[in-house]
Amino acid sequence: DTGVSQDPRHKITKRGQNVTFRCDPISEHNRLYWYRQTLGQGPEFLTYFQNEAQLEKSRLLSDRFSAERPKGSFSTLEIQRTEQGDSAMYLCASSLGTAYNEQFFGPGTRLTVL
Amino acid sequence: AQSVTQPDIHITVSEGASLELRCNYSYGATPYLFWYVQSPGQGLQLLLKYFSGDTLVQGIKGFEAEFKRSQSSFNLRKPSVHWSDAAEYFCAVGARGGADGLTFGKGTHLIIQP
Repeated sequence: DTGVSQDPRHKITKRGQNVTFRCDPISEHNRLYWYRQTLGQGPEFLTYFQNEAQLEKSRLLSDRFSAERPKGSFSTLEIQRTEQGDSAMYLCASSLGTAYNEQFFGPGTRLTVL
Repeated sequence: AQSVTQPDIHITVSEGASLELRCNYSYGATPYLFWYVQSPGQGLQLLLKYFSGDTLVQGIKGFEAEFKRSQSSFNLRKPSVHWSDAAEYFCAVGARGGADGLTFGKGTHLIIQP
């Protein structure tokens, strides 16, 4: 399968715990994006990497959130001290480094914070 | 700041009937425009995109969309819907240069009546 993959697909955690999600982009794509989608809403942009450099962060990305893409391939998104408001679908997308910004999305990780 | 409005939260269409989903955008220049579809448990799948040139673009699954600069619209159409088209549809706008995340509308939930 050459699409974007995400792991895990579902995560249930207790409030205050830390969680980490992984995204593997399409292999030749050098741009990687994270989005958050809550029920009844469209995806909201969180952050974006060009290779290993994190170039943009949304104001939605609080200090409890951190993302890395250490070797310019896979990426991780960590949420520290989770809150119930963090419950959402976390989507990863990747794209080629062209001006067209056509993004391909993974299946998402659904986070439930109890 | 760019924004996308999808004025219809839900639309119900009979199988075999035609479909039009509305999308209006706000952007300071000519944007890149996208329509994505999301089925339950599935990731976002790109239906079609507009970058430049012909304002009527064809996509997968028999969908098309028309870019109207004067109306800041990018409406999605299909001449005859199938029960399998029932899903959530998202319109999105992206900045030229590809250096930003996409801005999505809140989505339109399409229901197909037999």
